[in-house]
Amino acid sequence: AQSVAQPEDQVNVAEGNPLTVKCTYSVSGNPYLFWYVQYPNRGLQFLLKYITGDNLVKGSYGFEAEFNKSQTSFHLKKPSALVSDSALYFCGAYNFNKFYFGSGTKLNVKP
Amino acid sequence: DGGITQSPKYLFRKEGQNVTLSCEQNLNHDAMYWYRQDPGQGLRLIYYSQIVNDFQKGDIAEGYSVSREKKESFPLTVTSAQKNPTAFYLCASNEAMGGPNTDTQYFGPGTRLTVL
Repeated sequence: AQSVAQPEDQVNVAEGNPLTVKCTYSVSGNPYLFWYVQYPNRGLQFLLKYITGDNLVKGSYGFEAEFNKSQTSFHLKKPSALVSDSALYFCGAYNFNKFYFGSGTKLNVKP
Repeated sequence: DGGITQSPKYLFRKEGQNVTLSCEQNLNHDAMYWYRQDPGQGLRLIYYSQIVNDFQKGDIAEGYSVSREKKESFPLTVTSAQKNPTAFYLCASNEAMGGPNTDTQYFGPGTRLTVL
């Protein structure tokens, strides 16, 4: 079965420190990969996506993600976390006209 | 939440009542989706439609119904057959296959349904 996994329900980080939110995928072929962010009682906002090329993808709000084909991972990163980054983050994959989402990771950035 | 509107934002329903959630998009997207979000369970696909007058069941379609009479509209009806309807409902859309942004879904702001 095709799936996307986010192994951490929650990630805690201090403001100013680097953050990483993990994502692995098990989707056949060469899926496109993406990250969305969700603030409370809001829809999902697109952050970034990987299609092909450079393994480091830069997106909105200073976020970037690193694609690793051998590890089938697509981890979200930011060099310096802000309190306003606190939200729910979803990793996903797209292939053959189907979308697959992870279960989400809650990011808590403490002052 | 660009280009997709959902209404109402909050909805309360008594047990045994059907209720319809609205989703409208002005992005000229062919494909539209309904997801249900419960705490700790991520997004689950209810129904999707790739083209007007056609739709397919997703993973959790039981107790729900949809229609797609117009390209810009994809209403979801939560029927009394849905045992646990209290959840956050998200509508999304994307371009049809072949378009430059086929791989990117755009989401509405969501509707929170509570059954009293």
